[in-house]
Amino acid sequence: KNQVEQSPQSLIILEGKNCTLQCNYTVSPFSNLRWYKQDTGRGPVSLTIMTFSENTKSNGRYTATLDADTKQSSLHITASQLSDSASYICVVSASNGNKLVFGAGTILRVKS
Amino acid sequence: NAGVTQTPKFRILKIGQSMTLQCTQDMNHNYMYWYRQDPGMGLKLIYYSVGAGITDKGEVPNGYNVSRSTTEDFPLRLELAAPSQTSVYFCASSYYNTGREQYFGPGTRLTVT
Repeated sequence: KNQVEQSPQSLIILEGKNCTLQCNYTVSPFSNLRWYKQDTGRGPVSLTIMTFSENTKSNGRYTATLDADTKQSSLHITASQLSDSASYICVVSASNGNKLVFGAGTILRVKS
Repeated sequence: NAGVTQTPKFRILKIGQSMTLQCTQDMNHNYMYWYRQDPGMGLKLIYYSVGAGITDKGEVPNGYNVSRSTTEDFPLRLELAAPSQTSVYFCASSYYNTGREQYFGPGTRLTVT
C-alpha cells in the first residue's frame, strides 16, 4: 500500500535553533518528493521538489535530503524563525499515473 | 495573478442540506483538484480534472460531485451533507499532471451539524 509516514507528529523548538523533520515512504514507482509548508488557515505552499537522482536540495534555510534506496527524506531547518511555525507536509508522487500520497504532516512551533 | 481562489471561507450546514464550494484559478492550469483535510490526517483527493469537460474520481469521492465547464472553474457540490463531511476543503491546480507543483487555494472550513 502506498503510504507516507512523517515524524515527529509535532515539535517545539526555540527561535534560532535547528531542527530536522523526517519522511518515510512506500510509494512505488517513485517519481518525485515534495515538501510543502502549510501556515495555519492557509493552503500548502511548495518548498522543494526532489527527483530520484537528487540527494540534496536547498531553499534558503530549508534543506531537503532524499535517500531513494531507503525511501527516506528529511527536511532540515537552520536558524529557525518564528515565521517557520507551520505544518510541514511530505508528498510523494508515483510515476504510474495521477497519484500523489500526502503525509499527515509535522506541526512545528518555534518559540521566542 | 490571484492564483487559486475559493469561496466561501467558512460554512455551517445542517444535515441533508446542499451546497457548492467554488474554486477559480487564473494561471491557465489544465489540471485541477479537490482535497479534504481532516485533523491529523494527510490530504485526501476527492476529485480531479485534467481539462475542461473531463473529471475523474479520487480516493474519497462518495457524497460529492464536480463539473469542469471552463479551464478556470472547478466547483465541488455536496448534495446531502453529512457530519462525516465536516472538514477543510482545498482546491489546487497544476500544469499537465500531478508530478508538477500544485498551487493551493486558502481552503474552505465546512462544519455539518
